[in-house]
Amino acid sequence: AQKITQTQPGMFVQEKEAVTLDCTYDTSDPSYGLFWYKQPSSGEMIFLIYQGSYDQQNATEGRYSLNFQKARKSANLVISASQLGDSAMYFCAMREGRWSGGGADGLTFGKGTHLIIQP
Amino acid sequence: DTAVSQTPKYLVTQMGNDKSIKCEQNLGHDTMYWYKQDSKKFLKIMFSYNNKELIINETVPNRFSPKSPDKAHLNLHINSLELGDSAVYFCASSQDRSLEWRDTQYFGPGTRLTVL
Repeated sequence: AQKITQTQPGMFVQEKEAVTLDCTYDTSDPSYGLFWYKQPSSGEMIFLIYQGSYDQQNATEGRYSLNFQKARKSANLVISASQLGDSAMYFCAMREGRWSGGGADGLTFGKGTHLIIQP
Repeated sequence: DTAVSQTPKYLVTQMGNDKSIKCEQNLGHDTMYWYKQDSKKFLKIMFSYNNKELIINETVPNRFSPKSPDKAHLNLHINSLELGDSAVYFCASSQDRSLEWRDTQYFGPGTRLTVL
């Protein structure tokens, strides 16, 4: 089963509108982190925002906010006042904790959403 | 100053060759990773190294071998390259002192490998 699901392969949005990119996750671990990355056409992976499973408040970073609904296991990214430069692939990712403590684990990524901002 | 750097950015080679990709981070992080992004843009973890110790090793062919000369470097060696190895390879690092699941991973610019 997929651990990270992004149901929107592509989205077209008018400039200056708000955008919501969907992400649902699946884990039985009580400790986990959720991350969003942006990949523009130039190819680099840019970290945007993080939400921890124990965080009480939704994360915000400038124009980015994370709508975290733990019971629904969703972590949607909201971009306010979209700009042409927001056109890119957006990836949701999760890192799970370990009951035993210690040890490192990699990020599990969703398939991404290709966002295109139209003037 | 570049936080996570990779060389080369592009690598074109023939099937059967052996090649290496270098990665360096100047963030003082404890853990480094290699990810593979396929032609459909799907990213998957390949390896991680923590304090020179291999922590996870996903089901990648043993033709791929990570080598870490020190905490700041994690190189990826690939032997007997195959067509299916064509992809973008990303190096990443994270601090990972405790509660690793909270630590952000920072990525290098990627290396586009093309096997002919």
